Amino acid sequence: GQNIDQPTEMTATEGAIVQINCTYQTSGFNGLFWYQQHAGEAPTFLSYNVLDGLEEKGRFSSFLSRSKGYSYLLLKELQMKDSASYLCAVRGGGATNKLIFGTGTLLAVQP
Amino acid sequence: EAEVAQSPRYKITEKSQAVAFWCDPISGHATLYWYRQILGQGPELLVQFQDESVVDDSQLPKDRFSAERLKGVDSTLKIQPAELGDSAMYLCASSPAWGWNYGYTFGSGTRLTVV
Repeated sequence: GQNIDQPTEMTATEGAIVQINCTYQTSGFNGLFWYQQHAGEAPTFLSYNVLDGLEEKGRFSSFLSRSKGYSYLLLKELQMKDSASYLCAVRGGGATNKLIFGTGTLLAVQP
Repeated sequence: EAEVAQSPRYKITEKSQAVAFWCDPISGHATLYWYRQILGQGPELLVQFQDESVVDDSQLPKDRFSAERLKGVDSTLKIQPAELGDSAMYLCASSPAWGWNYGYTFGSGTRLTVV
């Protein structure tokens, strides 16, 4: 079966660091993606990991451990505009290589 | 910056009526996806096209939903008849090719409310 787990909600303070975890169990693995989605808007691409390790992109970093079926998204120097839902998605194997999304983590950044 | 165009942005319809959504992917993108996102949940794939061919419609409720991409460019998703449980955001996305490493580009979506 396909299963992707993320915390439902998180709260953090402006200027702080927050880590959003994602665990997955999928039939096949061809990469893990993180998307940001503001309320009522479409998801926007943040990061992609296919090999183990850390990928850094400005204030955002994403980590992957394939053996543990685990990833996290790290957001530094939090800003109010970072308040959004963060979606973890896995590209499974198979003929279509489709993305399977988790339910998302709603992050609230407080002053 | 190239965008995926979707229309309408919002749609309110009565149950048992027919409704249709349109998507125009980024020019040159061969792969097109329709996702449904219920409030508070992640997007769920309904149908995937490679050019004009359907490559995955395993989660599409075929008794009421249909999708086409006749010329391998823009696409239409139809629901007939609409049910209350179809209220959701319908997202279209495209990618240059199968297995593209940078994920998909999503359109702004169509928010459907069935009353």
